[in-house]
Amino acid sequence: NAGVTQTPKFRILKIGQSMTLQCTQDMNHNYMYWYRQDPGMGLKLIYYSVGAGITDKGEVPNGYNVSRSTTEDFPLRLELAAPSQTSVYFCASSGTTGPGHAFFGPGTRLTVL
Amino acid sequence: RKEVEQDPGPFNVPEGATVAFNCTYSNSASQSFFWYRQDCRKEPKLLMSVYSSGNEDGRFTAQLNRASQYISLLIRDSKLSDSATYLCVVNADYGGATNKLIFGTGTLLAVQP
Repeated sequence: NAGVTQTPKFRILKIGQSMTLQCTQDMNHNYMYWYRQDPGMGLKLIYYSVGAGITDKGEVPNGYNVSRSTTEDFPLRLELAAPSQTSVYFCASSGTTGPGHAFFGPGTRLTVL
Repeated sequence: RKEVEQDPGPFNVPEGATVAFNCTYSNSASQSFFWYRQDCRKEPKLLMSVYSSGNEDGRFTAQLNRASQYISLLIRDSKLSDSATYLCVVNADYGGATNKLIFGTGTLLAVQP
């Protein structure tokens, strides 16, 4: 099993550009999450999904969108990138044991200039 | 007041030392508790769950005090490979379809040879 995979690993965007961060898991987990981690700050939940076709906002959803058309995939869309979105983005998934037993992807380091 | 507070460290300890990390949480409705480990520039990984009765996994012992809203992690016989950031994570039920994980900012441990 590959677990949770994310692409790309690194990306530099210009202000106003858009991009999609890809996330795929092969553990047949229903729950999937997007977090961002800023230096010196705890992980913040952006969006989450409890199953295909169901998504909901987390703590910091502004400037982002998600979709969940399949159990495996949970892409995160950044529209009109801003410097405040410079961060490390982690995708995670969890199964029936609940969100506390989460498996994280390796992260995407995004810089917006 | 932050929902989950940790001493950021760094804790610099020699190999073989015993080190303890503490964490406090503000939401008394919190239901479950975890310690995650995050290596430099890597994703967080679940280290262990924390139960009211306390639990032990090899050299690691986690304790929960619900009355004081306090969680601890004890590492005995520290190894160089224990060097990492330790994240305190709390799962509180906010009444939605899924629970919400709150991450502390982490405590940095550096084990010295």
